[in-house]
Amino acid sequence: EADIYQTPRYLVIGTGKKITLECSQTMGHDKMYWYQQDPGMELHLIHYSYGVNSTEKGDLSSESTVSRIRTEHFPLTLESARPSHTSQYLCASTATGSNTEAFFGQGTRLTVV
Amino acid sequence: AQSVTQLGSHVSVSEGALVLLRCNYSSSVPPYLFWYVQYPNQGLQLLLKYTSAATLVKGINGFEAEFKKSETSFHLTKPSAHMSDAAEYFCAVTTSGTYKYIFGTGTRLKVLA
Repeated sequence: EADIYQTPRYLVIGTGKKITLECSQTMGHDKMYWYQQDPGMELHLIHYSYGVNSTEKGDLSSESTVSRIRTEHFPLTLESARPSHTSQYLCASTATGSNTEAFFGQGTRLTVV
Repeated sequence: AQSVTQLGSHVSVSEGALVLLRCNYSSSVPPYLFWYVQYPNQGLQLLLKYTSAATLVKGINGFEAEFKKSETSFHLTKPSAHMSDAAEYFCAVTTSGTYKYIFGTGTRLKVLA
């Protein structure tokens, strides 16, 4: 079944630790996105990718980085986590064509203590 | 540039009553419009989308939305609310040739017994 997966679902980690949030999709989509969402708030685009070896920063400045070495994989990394990084991170993908919907993963809720 | 405005961050309806969630968009070119639903600690799930075909769009779970160009609106409705409809609802817009999906700030729907 085609889908988009995020791991872990929940993560509690100490300040200063390096973390990687995983996102994988099985739909062969070229475009992938990372959104940051605080509880009950809107989604803010922090990174996107048009395809392999293509990554761009989104509208909201973020200290995280991303990579796109394979079409299906779009991990997000924080080199040194801080409490201000506490949030929900949502990964999404879309097929080529602007009239297609974005498919979302279940999200990773990150808490930095 | 595109934008969406969702009127009412919180909407409460009685079970069995009409659900109306408002979304107005701004776009200098023909838009593609989407409604998503988000349950607690979950990603976003597509309810329906408008892609320049029929102006009245039917989605899942009995929801529908009507695209009104003259009013720049894409309001979401459901004739009879169920308790399971309680969730956060997001309106989103994109246009041809852009990578961006612009999301509204969301409307939290509460269904009263």
